[in-house]
Parts: sequence; C-alpha cells; structure tokens
Amino acid sequence: AQSVTQPDIHITVSEGASLELRCNYSYGATPYLFWYVQSPGQGLQLLLKYFSGDTLVQGIKGFEAEFKRSQSSFNLRKPSVHWSDAAEYFCAVGAGTTGGFKTIFGAGTRLFVKA
Amino acid sequence: GAVVSQHPSWVICKSGTSVKIECRSLDFQATTMFWYRQFPKQSLMLMATSNEGSKATYEQGVEKDKFLINHASLTLSTLTVTSAHPEDSSFYICSANLGRLNTEAFFGQGTRLTVV
Repeated sequence: AQSVTQPDIHITVSEGASLELRCNYSYGATPYLFWYVQSPGQGLQLLLKYFSGDTLVQGIKGFEAEFKRSQSSFNLRKPSVHWSDAAEYFCAVGAGTTGGFKTIFGAGTRLFVKA
Repeated sequence: GAVVSQHPSWVICKSGTSVKIECRSLDFQATTMFWYRQFPKQSLMLMATSNEGSKATYEQGVEKDKFLINHASLTLSTLTVTSAHPEDSSFYICSANLGRLNTEAFFGQGTRLTVV
C-alpha cells in the first residue's frame, strides 16, 4: 500500500539557518510527490511537486526538493529560513485510483523558527 | 491554477443536528473529488472519494451513514455530517483534480466544524 513517512514530528531552526525536512515514501509505481505547507487554521498551499524528469525540483518561497529513487526519499530543503516559514509541512504522494489520483499525506512536520 | 472553493469556512452546530459542507470546482469540471478530515495537530486523512453521478467510495473505518456524500454535478460535491457529535468536530478539506489522469490535486480552503 502507498504510504508516506515524515520521521520528524517537529523541527526547530534558527532564522537564517538552512533547513531539511525528511520524507520517505512507499509506492509501487513511479511516484508523484508533493510538498504542502499549512499555516495554523489555514488550508494547504502547494510548495512544489515531482512527476518526472529532473530530480531536483524548485518550488515557491525558495524551497527545493530532491527525489532519490534509491532511497525512496523526497526531502525538502531551504538554504535560509525566514520566521514566516514557521508552519506545518506535509509530504504527499499521488496514488492512482479508478476515479483519479488521491493524495496520501505524511504525518507532517511542524517547523519552529527561533530568532 | 485551478480553484476549489469550500463553504462554509467555519460552522458551529448543536449536537444531533446535521451540517452540510459544499465543495465547488470554480473553473473546471471535476468528475472526482476527495474529502479529507484533519484533527488538531494531525495529518489529513482521506475519508472518501466522491464520484459524479455514482456512489462515493469510503475509506475503511469511515461511516457511510454518518458522512453522506453527494456529487450531483461536475462542479459540486457535498459532505453532510449527520447527527453530529462533539467528536465530529474537525477540519474538513476537499480536493479535486483537473482530470482523471491528472495527478495534482487542488484543495479547498477547508471547513472548521465545531459541534457543541
């Protein structure tokens, strides 16, 4: 069955420091991978997605992610974190169904940014 | 990108009443929509797949009679929480893909349901 694992429940980084959020997936076919961000009480915003091609994907707000098939990973990175990046981050995989592709989410990683 | 709108954004209801949440695809047609539930500080769990013109497909453990889904048109799916109880209080989010083969989902802004 398809699944997504985010091993870190929460992470704290200093403003200006680099960030890496881990994500591992389990999917039998070529995965369609996503990273979303959710601020408290808000909906989801898509940061970036990987479907095929270049394994290093650039997203919005200075985020990037690298797909590594050998490690079944799709880690999210940002070279310099801003206080406004504090939020919940979800890694997700698109899984095919008869009606289309449903999105399966990881448990999420809450990012805290300290001054 | 495509826009998916949910209504209402938040609702408070009394125990025992029913609440309807709407999910609309504003600028595209969606034969399939998905409903998710998110408890505080937890992830989004898929509840059901809403299929236009046919019955919804529910995930294991989701009560069909409690969470009624209707997908009467290509742009509208509704989730009705029947006989709501405080434990049904949650954040409900819907999504739709541009097409059957389209892997990217577009999410509504969510509906915060509080049952008192």
